Amino acid sequence: ETGVTQTPRHLVMGMTNKKSLKCEQHLGHNAMYWYKQSAKKPLELMFVYNFKEQTENNSVPSRFSPECPNSSHLFLHLHTLQPEDSALYLCASSQDTGTPSTDTQYFGPGTRLTVL
Amino acid sequence: AQSVSQHNHHVILSEAASLELGCNYSYGGTVNLFWYVQYPGQHLQLLLKYFSGDPLVKGIKGFEAEFIKSKFSFNLRKPSVQWSDTAEYFCAVNAGGGSQGNLIFGKGTKLSVKP
Repeated sequence: ETGVTQTPRHLVMGMTNKKSLKCEQHLGHNAMYWYKQSAKKPLELMFVYNFKEQTENNSVPSRFSPECPNSSHLFLHLHTLQPEDSALYLCASSQDTGTPSTDTQYFGPGTRLTVL
Repeated sequence: AQSVSQHNHHVILSEAASLELGCNYSYGGTVNLFWYVQYPGQHLQLLLKYFSGDPLVKGIKGFEAEFIKSKFSFNLRKPSVQWSDTAEYFCAVNAGGGSQGNLIFGKGTKLSVKP
């Protein structure tokens, strides 16, 4: 499998559930990202990991907890979410070339999350 | 705060028509500019990007974009669209020297091309 994969593709959960989203990149990149895309709003960056270290947390509520065990895998652990957290969650990866602001990001297909 | 505006929410064209999608950003310093495209049922993918040099950038599938610094714009163009160009197009900005990967996206423009 090539590129960036995400599982599950669709997830429905209650507000008291705990679930995790998984992202895997097969591109040999060293940076990974979580984005949120809500209806009628732009993509919003949530977290950035570079060489497994979190380098960016864009004021995301603590009910979202990222984990990056290695450069190929990224998780987003979810607990006690709210209905307004329903959105498409996209994962991306890039190769740090030393000038990160110019690096191309490669996106996965996303997980469509519905919180009831 | 930085922001990206894409003024057209939905554009409908006939095949062979010319395309121009607007993108304006608000940031006074050095910027790196991107256009991403999402074809129906597919991932977001890079169409083209600009970070220095010739302000007219050529991308894949005959697309090009022009960076006009004085207008804070990075409009996407294609002289003759095809039905296969039906997709959603996203403009994004990364402020040079900013945090890694901090892409600021516009809301996207949906392009429908009628055969």
